Amino acid sequence: DQQVKQNSPSLSVQEGRISILNCDYTNSMFDYFLWYKKYPAEGPTFLISISSIKDKNEDGRFTVFLNKSAKHLSLHIVPSQPGDSAVYFCAASSGTYKYIFGTGTRLKVLA
Amino acid sequence: NAGVTQTPKFRVLKTGQSMTLLCAQDMNHEYMYWYRQDPGMGLRLIHYSVGEGTTAKGEVPDGYNVSRLKKQNFLLGLESAAPSQTSVYFCASSQSHPAQYFGPGTRLTVT
Repeated sequence: DQQVKQNSPSLSVQEGRISILNCDYTNSMFDYFLWYKKYPAEGPTFLISISSIKDKNEDGRFTVFLNKSAKHLSLHIVPSQPGDSAVYFCAASSGTYKYIFGTGTRLKVLA
Repeated sequence: NAGVTQTPKFRVLKTGQSMTLLCAQDMNHEYMYWYRQDPGMGLRLIHYSVGEGTTAKGEVPDGYNVSRLKKQNFLLGLESAAPSQTSVYFCASSQSHPAQYFGPGTRLTVT
């Protein structure tokens, strides 16, 4: 039972354009969401988070949007850069230390 | 400042053998975590610790034990390795929830 789903295994975007990575969840008790970035042969890097009391959080080129009614969150990267090429994981929690991770989306930014 | 380090980086075990994975952090973080990542799946939490001397079960704790005798170290033990424990193991630490700093990973193969 996949509670957190990233339905697009991969995404290619031209440099300078917007990258939109999507994540859907099924558990309405989730109240805190995260995005991580992972390069090959390295550990994940925490990118940005959002609480369920907000619908948007912005940090530089990265913005996370949360649509609670649709149980959907998305990560926008603007403008996309070649260094953004990585696997992106979303994760969700219902107020505990146990985060449920999605399977990841591989982003490729083309120069 | 090395951040989060993991020892060893690679290991091959035979079924039934035991081993300990070591995680060390030099950021004086309270929280430490052990995750595993398998192909086509997101990260899954094995065990975590909210402070020296404390441990708690995560999502997939069976077959693993942990100890946090010193604040900077979090050990993950496999008493009798099984092929199902073939995975990449990541340790993480943070000063508060959620996990923010990950180590580079340990690739374990059980034959």
